[in-house]
Amino acid sequence: DGGITQSPKYLFRKEGQNVTLSCEQNLNHDAMYWYRQDPGQGLRLIYYSQIVNDFQKGDIAEGYSVSREKKESFPLTVTSAQKNPTAFYLCASSPGAGEGETQYFGPGTRLLVL
Amino acid sequence: AQKVTQAQTEISVVEKEDVTLDCVYETRDTTYYLFWYKQPPSGELVFLIRRNSFDEQNEISGRYSWNFQKSTSSFNFTITASQVVDSAVYFCALSDFTSYGKLTFGQGTILTVHP
Repeated sequence: DGGITQSPKYLFRKEGQNVTLSCEQNLNHDAMYWYRQDPGQGLRLIYYSQIVNDFQKGDIAEGYSVSREKKESFPLTVTSAQKNPTAFYLCASSPGAGEGETQYFGPGTRLLVL
Repeated sequence: AQKVTQAQTEISVVEKEDVTLDCVYETRDTTYYLFWYKQPPSGELVFLIRRNSFDEQNEISGRYSWNFQKSTSSFNFTITASQVVDSAVYFCALSDFTSYGKLTFGQGTILTVHP
């Protein structure tokens, strides 16, 4: 089955700790994205990658970092610099990176601060 | 700048009622794409439809239909004979040439269908 997987489903972070959210896709898509969703709000773009070994900041990149060493993987690290990390994080991918490309989403990771 | 407005924060209907979710967008580009996604309680966003700016034909898929009107910059979504399983948050999104394919989402509309 082709799709996007995210792990873990729930993640707890202690103060001052960095945590990494996993995103894997087997759709052979070139582009991948990370979004943050806060209660009652739409999705906001954190980082995106149009191709392997390349990525760009989105609208709210501060306190986050990413890597794209493999086509199928796009992990997101929430650093201690992100002061309000509690949110629902969604990973997406699209076949290409143009304006007409449909993005497909994973099941999400809910991050909570202890 | 791109902008998507979903003015209806929450809608509540009784099963079998028809319901329309509004979406108004802003873009300076002549080439753009509009999307609707459904987010059920599980959290995953499910793609429903993509429409490009040059195709103003309405689309129907089962109980779902979409009305695209460039004159009013709207892309509304209607569910006919709603069912409890339609309860979800629905997002409208825009992608245009200027944004290089990045999606701009509306705030979402929470639809609750009561039995």
